[in-house]
Amino acid sequence: DQQVKQNSPSLSVQEGRISILNCDYTNSMFDYFLWYKKYPAEGPTFLISISSIKDKNEDGRFTVFLNKSAKHLSLHIVPSQPGDSAVYFCAASAVGNQGGKLIFGQGTELSVKP
Amino acid sequence: ETGVTQSPTHLIKTRGQQVTLRCSSQSGHNTVSWYQQALGQGPQFIFQYYREEENGRGNFPPRFSGLQFPNYSSELNVNALELDDSALYLCASSLGTAEQYFGPGTRLTVT
Repeated sequence: DQQVKQNSPSLSVQEGRISILNCDYTNSMFDYFLWYKKYPAEGPTFLISISSIKDKNEDGRFTVFLNKSAKHLSLHIVPSQPGDSAVYFCAASAVGNQGGKLIFGQGTELSVKP
Repeated sequence: ETGVTQSPTHLIKTRGQQVTLRCSSQSGHNTVSWYQQALGQGPQFIFQYYREEENGRGNFPPRFSGLQFPNYSSELNVNALELDDSALYLCASSLGTAEQYFGPGTRLTVT
């Protein structure tokens, strides 16, 4: 039972363009969502998060959008840079479980071409 | 500020053996979570420790056990290793928030 899904295993984007990574979830109890970036041989690095009371959160080149009715979130990276090439994971946390377990998607490998 | 550290980096064990993995949490963090990441998959939650007590457990058998020490460092123990236990084991620390900060992981290979 995959509660958090990233249906695109890979994405290739030209440098300077927008990268859009998508994530869907099934559990309506999720109330906090996070994006992590992972380079090979390193642990995931926290990028940005959003609470279910918001529909958008922005941090520099990174913006996360949340559509609760569609149970969908997306990460926008503008402009994309070659250093952004990595595997991106979305993760979710449930109501009353703040600080508790994170449920991760399978990841999307982003490749930004110069 | 010191980040999350894990040891060892790599480990090779034989089926049936036992293994202990170690994690030092980020300075000021009182919560440690352990995850298993199989190849091509996202991390899967094993369990979490808060102030030395288990605070939630994922769908892993009892041969996966853990400890948290007064300095908030933690150990993950796996008994009776199976081939499917081969994975990257990640430790993450946090301070009562959903933002968990991960260490570099320990790559365990079971032969």
